[in-house]
Amino acid sequence: SQQGEEDPQALSIQEGENATMNCSYKTSINNLQWYRQNSGRGLVHLILIRSNEREKHSGRLRVTLDTSKKSSSLLITASRAADTASYFCATAESGYSTLTFGKGTMLLVSP
Amino acid sequence: EPEVTQTPSHQVTQMGQEVILRCVPISNHLYFYWYRQILGQKVEFLVSFYNNEISEKSEIFDDQFSVERPDGSNFTLKIRSTKLEDSAMYFCASSEEWSEDPEAFFGQGTRLTVV
Repeated sequence: SQQGEEDPQALSIQEGENATMNCSYKTSINNLQWYRQNSGRGLVHLILIRSNEREKHSGRLRVTLDTSKKSSSLLITASRAADTASYFCATAESGYSTLTFGKGTMLLVSP
Repeated sequence: EPEVTQTPSHQVTQMGQEVILRCVPISNHLYFYWYRQILGQKVEFLVSFYNNEISEKSEIFDDQFSVERPDGSNFTLKIRSTKLEDSAMYFCASSEEWSEDPEAFFGQGTRLTVV
């Protein structure tokens, strides 16, 4: 797999349920970031976790990072229909400021 | 809240024509980027720009592409002779400074359609 691969590719849940998305990467990173993209729109930065951090919270978002497994997860708790979007992880490799994105997970939250 | 703005939101052009995509980064930001997303595919890095020169570029960013900061506020991407495969959403981004944790702020994108 390539740098920043998310799974599942698509996730369909009911409002109120939790959504978990995973991301794997290959190289050494400085940080990993999660973005949201509503259909055909721009990328919205959600959360950044540094390589020396293991878990981070922001509102209903919880991100974990396991550098030994080169993986991260994004948990959205108590999902809402408005959370329907594609979610991407992006990694910033050591020594570089550019981001490498995964293919994304398309989340559908039904009322 | 400051944001990155891009114009136009949608551009249709004929194959072989030149297009210029425009971006206004956040005013105190020093690093600027262009990314693109072909429909249904990953967001891909094209180029980064700092201190009036390209700092990094990907394999995609060939001689067909160029970037410029013509004044103190705009950052442009020029595609010289567009091809059908250049059809994509182009995102501009900016970050305040180079650090080990660059937080890039993205614009809403310009959807380029080459016909």
